[in-house]
Amino acid sequence: DAKTTQPNSMESNEEEPVHLPCNHSTISGTDYIHWYRQLPSQGPEYVIHGLTSNVNNRMASLAIAEDRKSSTLILHRATLRDAAVYYCILSISSGSARQLTFGSGTQLTVLP
Amino acid sequence: NAGVTQTPKFRVLKTGQSMTLLCAQDMNHEYMYWYRQDPGMGLRLIHYSVGEGTTAKGEVPDGYNVSRLKKQNFLLGLESAAPSQTSVYFCASRGIRGNQPQHFGDGTRLSIL
Repeated sequence: DAKTTQPNSMESNEEEPVHLPCNHSTISGTDYIHWYRQLPSQGPEYVIHGLTSNVNNRMASLAIAEDRKSSTLILHRATLRDAAVYYCILSISSGSARQLTFGSGTQLTVLP
Repeated sequence: NAGVTQTPKFRVLKTGQSMTLLCAQDMNHEYMYWYRQDPGMGLRLIHYSVGEGTTAKGEVPDGYNVSRLKKQNFLLGLESAAPSQTSVYFCASRGIRGNQPQHFGDGTRLSIL
């Protein structure tokens, strides 16, 4: 199974940008890169996903390396509400129903 | 817009008891999933369904059964609960087109004594 590697934890100051890295060196050509986050006592929440090109939405930006072996989730201005566990997940193209395989994620702490 | 609703939110069982967790979605999604999350870990897939009347095993299916009799509902059953099944259970759903994201419920916290 394609796997991802993320730092266990990161800290950021409020209102500053945050760059959350993810390595996925075994990614296949048609695997999508998904990011979800999980706030305390809640279910995971979709953040963003992409295949090859960088992506932007109202929550974040996703920067994908040219060789697709790594990606970075960018929160442009961190708020206290962004404190969560962030999961980088590969949506494998060969899996029925495009299963998501969660790792242990990155715990983001936002300091006031 | 309710999205994905899980019932119940909390439950305590004794070893050997049975129960059913209910997941309901109002987004007309084809795909539905059941995950479990143990403390400090990511989610692991138990079972999933690609449509009404169909189910398939995920990564950790042992000790669980599922049914998808109606498109909007996905039931997870524990026939004989064991302490190792103490966990938080999450249900998710997603549409069939392209690479749509999964939408998750808020979870069911289950303790087996």
